[in-house]
Amino acid sequence: ETGVTQTPRHLVMGMTNKKSLKCEQHLGHNAMYWYKQSAKKPLELMFVYNFKEQTENNSVPSRFSPECPNSSHLFLHLHTLQPEDSALYLCASSQRLAVYNEQFFGPGTRLTVL
Amino acid sequence: GESVGLHLPTLSVQEGDNSIINCAYSNSASDYFIWYKQESGKGPQFIIDIRSNMDKRQGQRVTVLLNKTVKHLSLQIAATQPGDSAVYFCAETGANSKLTFGKGITLSVRP
Repeated sequence: ETGVTQTPRHLVMGMTNKKSLKCEQHLGHNAMYWYKQSAKKPLELMFVYNFKEQTENNSVPSRFSPECPNSSHLFLHLHTLQPEDSALYLCASSQRLAVYNEQFFGPGTRLTVL
Repeated sequence: GESVGLHLPTLSVQEGDNSIINCAYSNSASDYFIWYKQESGKGPQFIIDIRSNMDKRQGQRVTVLLNKTVKHLSLQIAATQPGDSAVYFCAETGANSKLTFGKGITLSVRP
């Protein structure tokens, strides 16, 4: 257990559905991240939050909408996704947004878009 | 653009042998490097890290070597065990604090 939990672990949705991914960290960290992991590709950083404020949007399409209500929780709202959005979505947290800070990852949500 | 990459997609080793996983990076300004291990169905798990002012760091059964001259990072696993079978990622970060990951290499341990 890394102290970062994600729900659901698996999600299948149609292109017209709206769903949300949830991440919670129990480590007292102040920075949280969303990554996308596709087969045969490096992990892609999507969003970064530091003390609940978004500091990075890595050119992510607007059909992905993040929300960070507090430093412990991070959501990724999904709507009108495409089949190519099928991937493992990983949440991570770190003590702070700084160079020498290890990121702790959750187990991910395996998303399939039909 | 800047990238972090791994030389080989898969590595197969005999149980008990030492494993060496290599990684090349292109950003000479990278200041911090991490090795992650990802087992099936799990998220990446931190193994060991090294700062750019060091060239070697040892952990329990693992050693990371950094050669800044050729921008090369390696992970050595001593006495490889079946539980070491996983995908291994190198990652680097610089002043922007963003981790950049390599593609990953699969380590398979033969009994």
